[in-house]
Amino acid sequence: EAGVAQSPRYKIIEKRQSVAFWCNPISGHATLYWYQQILGQGPKLLIQFQNNGVVDDSQLPKDRFSAERLKGVDSTLKIQPAKLEDSAVYLCASSLDVAQGTDTQYFGPGTRLTVL
Amino acid sequence: SQQGEEDPQALSIQEGENATMNCSYKTSINNLQWYRQNSGRGLVHLILIRSNEREKHSGRLRVTLDTSKKSSSLLITASRAADTASYFCAPMTTDSWGKLQFGAGTQVVVTP
Repeated sequence: EAGVAQSPRYKIIEKRQSVAFWCNPISGHATLYWYQQILGQGPKLLIQFQNNGVVDDSQLPKDRFSAERLKGVDSTLKIQPAKLEDSAVYLCASSLDVAQGTDTQYFGPGTRLTVL
Repeated sequence: SQQGEEDPQALSIQEGENATMNCSYKTSINNLQWYRQNSGRGLVHLILIRSNEREKHSGRLRVTLDTSKKSSSLLITASRAADTASYFCAPMTTDSWGKLQFGAGTQVVVTP
């Protein structure tokens, strides 16, 4: 089966600019996650969707970050405006249905963002 | 959810040797997962062990769980250069709804 797809793979922007990342989860997966991974650290959960509803966005900096999952499939994560400290890899993951207790998450290749 | 803490931070071994890394956590869990991250394949799920299990095997991987000590270990036997990666543990409670709180990981380097 196809894995989690993400685009773009790399993005370089200047501070105060806007950027958007796209994620297509594994077909049939109800739960979708966005993580931020700063160099040398483990991934940090930003937001979790169950179908098209938000389950947890407690660690999402809502003044500049937004995410949506229309129709419960694809998702986009946006940063507006970007700061230098947003430089990181943004990982998207999906799982079959966390509500059913299937906890294994499948990760995409990530988008490496560099903010200059 | 809660963060797992991996130990050691870094590990350097030669091919054929075994690698052991540990994970500690703070409160009761439903299960604990191990993930691997390398540049070639990204972040990949390795194994899940439930709180009522004490040991689990998958190929060259062996995971143990001691809920009384709130700790887990991952053993890689007969390591290969391809095992070079960062390894993360992620404890999970039933109320965390799938949230994984990764620690900084153990960086393993396997030299030929």
